[in-house]
Amino acid sequence: DTEVTQTPKHLVMGMTNKKSLKCEQHMGHRAMYWYKQKAKKPPELMFVYSYEKLSINESVPSRFSPECPNSSLLNLHLHALQPEDSALYLCASSQVEGPGNTIYFGEGSWLTVV
Amino acid sequence: EDQVTQSPEALRLQEGESSSLNCSYTVSGLRGLFWYRQDPGKGPEFLFTLYSAGEEKEKERLKATLTKKESFLHITAPKPEDSATYLCAVQAAGNTPLVFGKGTRLSVIA
Repeated sequence: DTEVTQTPKHLVMGMTNKKSLKCEQHMGHRAMYWYKQKAKKPPELMFVYSYEKLSINESVPSRFSPECPNSSLLNLHLHALQPEDSALYLCASSQVEGPGNTIYFGEGSWLTVV
Repeated sequence: EDQVTQSPEALRLQEGESSSLNCSYTVSGLRGLFWYRQDPGKGPEFLFTLYSAGEEKEKERLKATLTKKESFLHITAPKPEDSATYLCAVQAAGNTPLVFGKGTRLSVIA
């Protein structure tokens, strides 16, 4: 079983709503990630946090706002999303950021924007 | 540009029929090759990390191998519960993100 826990598992939101996805890990990892995955496509990196600081932002629109309150928690705040943002959002973690470190994924949060 | 190509796109096996999935890669300075299993509607489940050519790792009916150009995921005597999409990803030197292949969808029929 994955040790990266994501909530909620499913979320339906309107284009004017504000919602958040939450992620928690207790493996002592210091790097955490958000990925987006569309159907039958591989995951695409959105953000990387390293030691609670934003390390990588892969040119993600500002309607997605990440937050890392502490080393175990990662949030993704959502506002004014578009229907094309509907996807599986995956949180992941690794011991540290950098080459050769195995990334462990959570079960994902299914987001539908209506 | 770092690239990962997985083949075949889809594979249908009878239960007990062994086979291999291929992951070909082009990367500047490989620092890790990762195999994941993904069930429909769920996040990728980590299977193996391989770091250097010649390395092999095994877990139950799965065995992963690595050469300088490709990796194979061998499935011995598969069962229906092995049905899933298998993703391969590579990481290059430096602080570069994982590069994923498009995956192989495996169906094992009883």
